[in-house]
Amino acid sequence: DIQMTQSPATLSASVGDRVSITCRASQSVSNWLAWYQQKPGKAPKVLIYDASTLQSGVPSRFSGSGSGTEFTLAINSLQPDDFATYYCQQYQGFPQTFGQGTKVDIK
Amino acid sequence: QVHLVQSGAEVKKPGASVKVSCKASEYTFNDYYMHWVRQAPGQGLEWMGWINPDSGGTKTAQKFRGRVTMTRDTSTNTAYMDLTSLRSDDTAVYYCARGRDSSSLYSAFDYWGQGTLVTVSS
Repeated sequence: DIQMTQSPATLSASVGDRVSITCRASQSVSNWLAWYQQKPGKAPKVLIYDASTLQSGVPSRFSGSGSGTEFTLAINSLQPDDFATYYCQQYQGFPQTFGQGTKVDIK
Repeated sequence: QVHLVQSGAEVKKPGASVKVSCKASEYTFNDYYMHWVRQAPGQGLEWMGWINPDSGGTKTAQKFRGRVTMTRDTSTNTAYMDLTSLRSDDTAVYYCARGRDSSSLYSAFDYWGQGTLVTVSS
């Protein structure tokens, strides 16, 4: 199985900050990577797919980059609604696998 | 607007089975793979498998092989996930999720059901 490792596990930030989350794959997943946001008690919501394509309706302050084994989700000017847990997911290999999550909380 | 509506919460005893449904609307059900993902309390996301609603073909993660059966009813646009021989560590929220790209198996999940909590307890 392809292991997805996110860092950091927790990120404390303030409204207006720019934050970055990293996701590393144990082997290349090309650009078959997505980022999801999840709030407590809710289903995940896709933000980015194919490593860098913004899902329709997602604010442009979210961006994704990377390919192969290293990927980054960046959030420009963090908003109150952005405090949540973020997951990366690779969908190239079988089984598909997720990172362990990064919780973004209020500093 | 695409909707995936799942069945309600279940409480089961160890060794029992559970069947979770996922009713799709506002899109062509047969055109998009449906995936199942679960999340244990306080834990991350775990992919379980997919079903091709058009052919009925399925692929299940090795971990669940022999215990998970995914089916669909195209007349009601509903996907089902059946999990047998339940154990306490199967306690989780189970989600159905649609593959975004109708032309490819390799795609992110763009719509998710609301989740179904399955509690396994004696």
